[in-house]
This record gives sequence, structure tokens and C-alpha cells, in this order.
Amino acid sequence: DVQMTQSPSSLSASVGDRVTITCRASQNIYSSLNWYQQKPGKAPELLIYAASSLQSGVPSRFGGSGSGTDFTLTISSLQPEDFATYYCQQSYSIPYTFGRGTKLDIK
Amino acid sequence: QVQLVQSGAEVKRPGASVKVSCKASGYTFTSYEINWLRQAPGQGLEWMGWMNLNSGNSGSAQKFQGRVTMTTDTSISTAYLELSSLGSEDTAVYYCARQATSIWSWYFDLWGPGTLISVSS
Repeated sequence: DVQMTQSPSSLSASVGDRVTITCRASQNIYSSLNWYQQKPGKAPELLIYAASSLQSGVPSRFGGSGSGTDFTLTISSLQPEDFATYYCQQSYSIPYTFGRGTKLDIK
Repeated sequence: QVQLVQSGAEVKRPGASVKVSCKASGYTFTSYEINWLRQAPGQGLEWMGWMNLNSGNSGSAQKFQGRVTMTTDTSISTAYLELSSLGSEDTAVYYCARQATSIWSWYFDLWGPGTLISVSS
């Protein structure tokens, strides 16, 4: 199985900050990497697919980059509604696997 | 409205089975695959399996093989997940998710709200 290592596991930041979350795959997954946001008690929502493609309706302050084994999710200017948990997920091979999540909270 | 609606929360005894439903609306049901995932309390996301709604073909993660059955009733745009031999470790929120594709990736672009399954004696 492809192991996904996400860091940091938690992060405190302020409104307006630029934030970066990283995800590393245990093998080359090309661009088969997706990012999700989850708020407490809610289902995850897709932010970025194929490493860098912004899902329709997602604000442009969210951006994804990377390929191969190393990927990054960047939020350019944090808004109050962005405080949530973020997960990366590889879709290169079954079983699809997720990172353990990054909980982003207010400093 | 494009959405997935899941069945309600259930409490099960150890050793029992549970069947969760996922009803799609607002799009052509058979044009996408449905995946099932779960999330134990306070934990991350775990992928369980997928189903092609046209062919009926399915596949699951190795840890669930022999215990999971995925079915569909296309006449009512509904997919089902059945999990047998439940243990306390199966207590989780179970999600169905629509799988979309791009040239580089498969991804889950539409999620159901989740169904809480609690296993307790």
C-alpha cells in the first residue's frame, strides 16, 4: 500500500496568514494526489485534485503543487472559515490511502 | 440538487451485520463509481471499497474482504454497503462518495453526509 505522510499534524495560525501543508508518498504517485477539507461533524469536501487542479467553487486562495512523492497545499491568506482539518489522498493505486490529517486552528 | 443521501444512524451488537444505503440525486447515477469510506471517532479517513454502478463490479481493501458486500439498485439510484461480523473497531461514520476522474487522478467530488454505526454490547 502507498503510505501518505502528512505534516504538520496540527498548526496554529491567524487570519490572513499564509499556510503550507505537506504530504509525502512512499512511492512515486505522479500527480494522483487530492486534498480535502473537513469541518467537525461534516463530510470531507474536495479542494484540489490531480495535485494542482482547483475544484469548482473552491476559493482561489487554495493552491496545490507537487508531483512524484512530494506535494503541498497552500492557503494564501487564511479566512475564518478555513479553520478545519485537511487530508491528502493518493489515487494512484488501490487501496486509496489518506494522510493522517492536519488540524488547522486559530492562534 | 446534486447530492448523496445516506440512511440513518444505527446501533449494532458485536457479530451482527449492518447495511447502509446511499441514494443519489441530481445527476446520472450510473455515470460515476461509488466509493465507501469510514472514519472512526477522532480518527482519519479510511477507504473501504468501490463499485461500478454499470457493471456491478466492485473491489475492496484487503482488510475488509470477506466481510463487505457492495450492491446497487439502479432503478432507485441507490448504492448499498453491507458489513458483517461487526466488532467494536467498526464503530465509525461511514461515507459514500462519488468518484470523478481526470487525466491524472480519480477523486471524490461528492460525499454523502455520513452514517454513524455504533457497535456495542
